[in-house]
Amino acid sequence: EAEVAQSPRYKITEKSQAVAFWCDPISGHATLYWYRQILGQGPELLVQFQDESVVDDSQLPKDRFSAERLKGVDSTLKIQPAELGDSAMYLCASSPSYRGDYGYTFGSGTRLTVV
Amino acid sequence: TQLLEQSPQFLSIQEGENLTVYCNSSSVFSSLQWYRQEPGEGPVLLVTVVTGGEVKKLKRLTFQFGDARKDSSLHITAAQPGDTGLYLCAGGNTGNQFYFGTGTSLTVIP
Repeated sequence: EAEVAQSPRYKITEKSQAVAFWCDPISGHATLYWYRQILGQGPELLVQFQDESVVDDSQLPKDRFSAERLKGVDSTLKIQPAELGDSAMYLCASSPSYRGDYGYTFGSGTRLTVV
Repeated sequence: TQLLEQSPQFLSIQEGENLTVYCNSSSVFSSLQWYRQEPGEGPVLLVTVVTGGEVKKLKRLTFQFGDARKDSSLHITAAQPGDTGLYLCAGGNTGNQFYFGTGTSLTVIP
């Protein structure tokens, strides 16, 4: 079964350092999402891509977060500088539908701890 | 912004008991999805409902979309330890955005 690949699975970084996460969606899925999830809560959308274009990044803290999907395939989410409050699970998801109504397939996530 | 409130937030029951999880909003959604998430993993889609009043069954799980498409429920019959996890609802609007609920953490005790 096709999967969304994310790396690394775990990342520990010191505050003020830069950190980057990578996501490879299911082949052919044009829509890619980055979510942040605090333990025990629901995921919150950070950014949505349709192919290589950003559809929605209204909830992305742009002073420190950036995301790109240059060739419309894999994507990178960067945080610089990291803050203690950024500790969370960062989830990538992809969907064959722009509307998302066929559901999302999530990766296993990257657990970020900022110390 | 969390538009969907789930209740209860935490639920701990004995194996074999029945339970219902609720997902409520003041907004109308074009469709609604339910996911289950195990610790350290991403959410896995269980079902999508799109029509007001729609009921879908997945083995011991029954999902219902409210008539007004503002709320949904998930009922589990004869819960098993393997049902343990975080249950999330997610509502889609006409702006092609899906918003996740606050989550219900279920523990089924053998």
